[in-house]
Amino acid sequence: KNQVEQSPQSLIILEGKNCTLQCNYTVSPFSNLRWYKQDTGRGPVSLTIMTFSENTKSNGRYTATLDADTKQSSLHITASQLSDSASYICVVSYGNNRLAFGKGNQVVVIP
Amino acid sequence: NAGVTQTPKFQVLKTGQSMTLQCAQDMNHNSMYWYRQDPGMGLRLIYYSASEGTTDKGEVPNGYNVSRLNKREFSLRLESAAPSQTSVYFCASRVRFRGRQDEKLFFGSGTQLSVL
Repeated sequence: KNQVEQSPQSLIILEGKNCTLQCNYTVSPFSNLRWYKQDTGRGPVSLTIMTFSENTKSNGRYTATLDADTKQSSLHITASQLSDSASYICVVSYGNNRLAFGKGNQVVVIP
Repeated sequence: NAGVTQTPKFQVLKTGQSMTLQCAQDMNHNSMYWYRQDPGMGLRLIYYSASEGTTDKGEVPNGYNVSRLNKREFSLRLESAAPSQTSVYFCASRVRFRGRQDEKLFFGSGTQLSVL
């Protein structure tokens, strides 16, 4: 069973609309959770980090939330743009500097 | 400051051929990683090096070997390529601080490998 589950696997949204991506994890002890953005043909790039004490953090049009009690995180994209078309990967750091990866949310923004 | 540099970007091999994927980082990071990414599977760890002089197996090490040549360079070798090793390979580096929360992975741009 995958230790980090992301949903939906893929979605298509109209330019200008909002969307929310989900990440549920089971690993422990929790250290932090990062969201990465991976453009087609490129390596993933960090968007934001969530630590145990943080509930919400924004990076431009991206807002991440974390509920450490339920082990859930979300990434909300506001007023989507064509450049938001990418895969969004949830990565949880736990234990002795171990990392668990989700399989990614594939987002396609259409005009 | 180039970050993480991988070569080559594309490679086609025949079954049984060998090759080495090169990776170098100029950020003075302690840890380096090799991942493979397959459709529907996400990123899977092949090998990692927590520090210069050490290497450890990850989730899918079979068929691969690695060398941490120095702090900057971490290479991945396929001794006898198989079609199952067709994938996109990513090298990454990470600085590690005890108790720090700002550490993160920096990825290279990837190597698209096809084994026929």
